[in-house]
Amino acid sequence: QSVLTQPPSASETPGQRVTISCSGSSSNIGSKTVNWYQQLPGMAPKLLIYSNNQRPSGVPDRFSGSKSGTAASLAISGLQSEDEADYYCAAWDDSLNGYVFGTGTKVTVL
Amino acid sequence: EVQLVESGGGLIQPGGSLRLSCAASGFTFSNNWMTWVRQAPGKGLEWVASIKQDGSHKYYVDSVKGRFTISRDNAKNSLFLQMNSLRVEDTAVYYCARGVSCDYWGQGTLITVSS
Repeated sequence: QSVLTQPPSASETPGQRVTISCSGSSSNIGSKTVNWYQQLPGMAPKLLIYSNNQRPSGVPDRFSGSKSGTAASLAISGLQSEDEADYYCAAWDDSLNGYVFGTGTKVTVL
Repeated sequence: EVQLVESGGGLIQPGGSLRLSCAASGFTFSNNWMTWVRQAPGKGLEWVASIKQDGSHKYYVDSVKGRFTISRDNAKNSLFLQMNSLRVEDTAVYYCARGVSCDYWGQGTLITVSS
């Protein structure tokens, strides 16, 4: 059972904005940076956002991350069909002494 | 170009052992933490273990402590995961990733534990 909680699903029509939440605690999100991953169907995950709000080279600026207290969020603006994927947040947890992933959110483009 | 290629997966009976390997290229392997992450069929991602650059520090998820061992050979740019006393619930795709933050991933190798 993951210590980072995400909604199981989110959906929106093309061109719209979708936001995914990630709820944690003081031992993880509250004191550590958050990373986000995108996993396209049948593919390995890919780092999408690191250090709360930084995009690796090649990631479109439609993707943005933020953090406040013990929660983080990923926003996808100008939603496109190719954004249909599973999204995971993650952070180091000082209590568990390990890296924890969120429960994952499946984004559907209607 | 960073490349991570896992190998060693397959079908194994409960209680058996398996050793996964990950061949790294395209970056200075010895300068990076390395990590194993797994994903059970139809399930989410689960961090398994991470190892420091020189192998001096290793961290494991509770469910594999005492059964799995992460190791590395910096001379051969290789990461390993020795898995003993395998259980049905260890069935998953195992990914090798660079760093604790997992900024690059391999394609994964499937481990199926079944009688």
